[in-house]
Amino acid sequence: NAGVTQTPKFQVLKTGQSMTLQCAQDMNHEYMSWYRQDPGMGLRLIHYSVGAGITDQGEVPNGYNVSRSTTEDFPLRLLSAAPSQTSVYFCASSYIIGTEAFFGQGTRLTVV
Amino acid sequence: QQQVKQSPQSLIVQKGGISIINCAYENTAFDYFPWYQQFPGKGPALLIAIRPDVSEKKEGRFTISFNKSAKQFSLHIMDSQPGDSATYFCAAQTSGSRLTFGEGTQLTVNP
Repeated sequence: NAGVTQTPKFQVLKTGQSMTLQCAQDMNHEYMSWYRQDPGMGLRLIHYSVGAGITDQGEVPNGYNVSRSTTEDFPLRLLSAAPSQTSVYFCASSYIIGTEAFFGQGTRLTVV
Repeated sequence: QQQVKQSPQSLIVQKGGISIINCAYENTAFDYFPWYQQFPGKGPALLIAIRPDVSEKKEGRFTISFNKSAKQFSLHIMDSQPGDSATYFCAAQTSGSRLTFGEGTQLTVNP
């Protein structure tokens, strides 16, 4: 059972480049979310989805887009990367919102 | 705005000692308080959780103490081991809502 799978594990981008962080879960969870982790700031919610076709913004959504065309996949798009987006990104899923969150292994992104 | 405040930011404990991490919250509607454990290079994983109808929950060496009137809860790790060295996050949520995380505590247990 793979759980939550994130790709890539590491990525270096130049300022202004775009890219998509992939997230897939095989637990048939309805709720999926993206967090960024920065030292001393905990895990901050970027975007979330309560089901296929439904997405909403978290606390730090600027510069990121998401879509949820299937239950399994929840990609995060950086439209024009900035150094402030250097961070570790985690995707998480839950059976429904408000239940235990299962996290992927993270993507370490550096924007130069 | 940070609705869950966690302290300390880092903690060093000797093997066999007690590790204590504290969290305070503002939203009285929170009704679920989980703790997540994160090892280097890994994603956080649920360690233990409590609901406000009990004041304490124990699972092995890990205990959550909950003080509803003070709006505080804490994680106690008894007989701390080097393998407990990790980052610990407290969190809070209301039914049907998103998790709000504390800032995290980096625990180091020296052998």
